[in-house]
Amino acid sequence: DSGVTQTPKHLITATGQRVTLRCSPRSGDLSVYWYQQSLDQGLQFLIQYYNGEERAKGNILERFSAQQFPDLHSELNLSSLELGDSALYFCASSVDPTSGLYNEQFFGPGTRLTVL
Amino acid sequence: AQSVTQLDSQVPVFEEAPVELRCNYSSSVSVYLFWYVQYPNQGLQLLLKYLSGSTLVKGINGFEAEFNKSQTSFHLRKPSVHISDTAEYFCAVTYENAGNNRKLIWGLGTSLAVNP
Repeated sequence: DSGVTQTPKHLITATGQRVTLRCSPRSGDLSVYWYQQSLDQGLQFLIQYYNGEERAKGNILERFSAQQFPDLHSELNLSSLELGDSALYFCASSVDPTSGLYNEQFFGPGTRLTVL
Repeated sequence: AQSVTQLDSQVPVFEEAPVELRCNYSSSVSVYLFWYVQYPNQGLQLLLKYLSGSTLVKGINGFEAEFNKSQTSFHLRKPSVHISDTAEYFCAVTYENAGNNRKLIWGLGTSLAVNP
């Protein structure tokens, strides 16, 4: 158990819909990362938040957005869903990416999204 | 742009045989290197990491990896695999000169299938 929790575990929805995925980082971790894992694209970094602020963006679509709340949990919002958005979405957390030291990322179990 | 190449997408091997999963990265600047493992239907877990010091790194479950700066490689090895090692293995790199924010650059993964 990494200490990172993600809900829900599975999500099945229809095209055009909007969903919200939730992540709670490990206690004490200030940074949250979101990843998408699909069979054809592999593991793709989407976005990173640090202490409530967006820190880095990866291959995140405009239909997707995220935020990190004052209690440090994070939500990933996916809207106007398409069949191709079906994937595993992982959240990871680390202590502080700006400290000049290496900080290991700890991964949650993921949310499997199926868009029908 | 920095990149990570995992040279084999699939590696089938018999139980108790040795295995090597290959990883090359693109940059010659100082790097931190990682191998993560993803067991079926689970999140990613850190297997081992190279930050500095000895180029031979030992990880969990009997795995080890060797950092070769001249060949920009970080190959993962195990002298004798078990059925339980069947999983997806990801190589990742973060670059020391990335400023205050270090992103992990991921390989596409190698699927290790251990057969009896």
